[in-house]
Amino acid sequence: SQQGEEDPQALSIQEGENATMNCSYKTSINNLQWYRQNSGRGLVHLILIRSNEREKHSGRLRVTLDTSKKSSSLLITASRAADTASYFCATGRGSNYKLTFGKGTLLTVNP
Amino acid sequence: DVKVTQSSRYLVKRTGEKVFLECVQDMDHENMFWYRQDPGLGLRLIYFSYDVKMKEKGDIPEGYSVSREKKERFSLILESASTNQTSMYLCASNPTSAETQYFGPGTRLLVL
Repeated sequence: SQQGEEDPQALSIQEGENATMNCSYKTSINNLQWYRQNSGRGLVHLILIRSNEREKHSGRLRVTLDTSKKSSSLLITASRAADTASYFCATGRGSNYKLTFGKGTLLTVNP
Repeated sequence: DVKVTQSSRYLVKRTGEKVFLECVQDMDHENMFWYRQDPGLGLRLIYFSYDVKMKEKGDIPEGYSVSREKKERFSLILESASTNQTSMYLCASNPTSAETQYFGPGTRLLVL
């Protein structure tokens, strides 16, 4: 069953603009992760935020988590054409290290 | 760097064939996963293994089986391939001590 749902499904912006993607989930979680997938490739882990954290930064990435609303957002600042990819949120629950992935947001950054 | 490799990037098979998809990781990870990815559906977990010879069904195990005879290798088996198993198959692994998963490049399978 799908746990995370990303919004929007697709986003097109100009280089230099900021991109914001949202993720909502249904049940309690231990952590929420964001992954990136370049076209036709495997996923690459970007950032993890734990359920007791509210905000985390990594380079041009900023992730927030609101457990009361069961939602997270990923902000990419000063976007580049190379950021063009699909972005997935994934939620981790319990201790078995399984993740449940959302359907993804396709980000297109136009040069 | 962690490396997860998959035996084929592209595969074309006929309906009814037995298909083996192989995944190998070089970091001694305990956990390995098989997902399928379809447009509009995202990634769905097929099977999960947390140790050699141990396996657990994921969300969509029907039509699939798995084998983990060695720690570094996790195989996905389609006993009798069907057209609705045409998809992108992704393998991943992680150590028990970490929550993030490391993915292989994927195998795009076409069943005719």
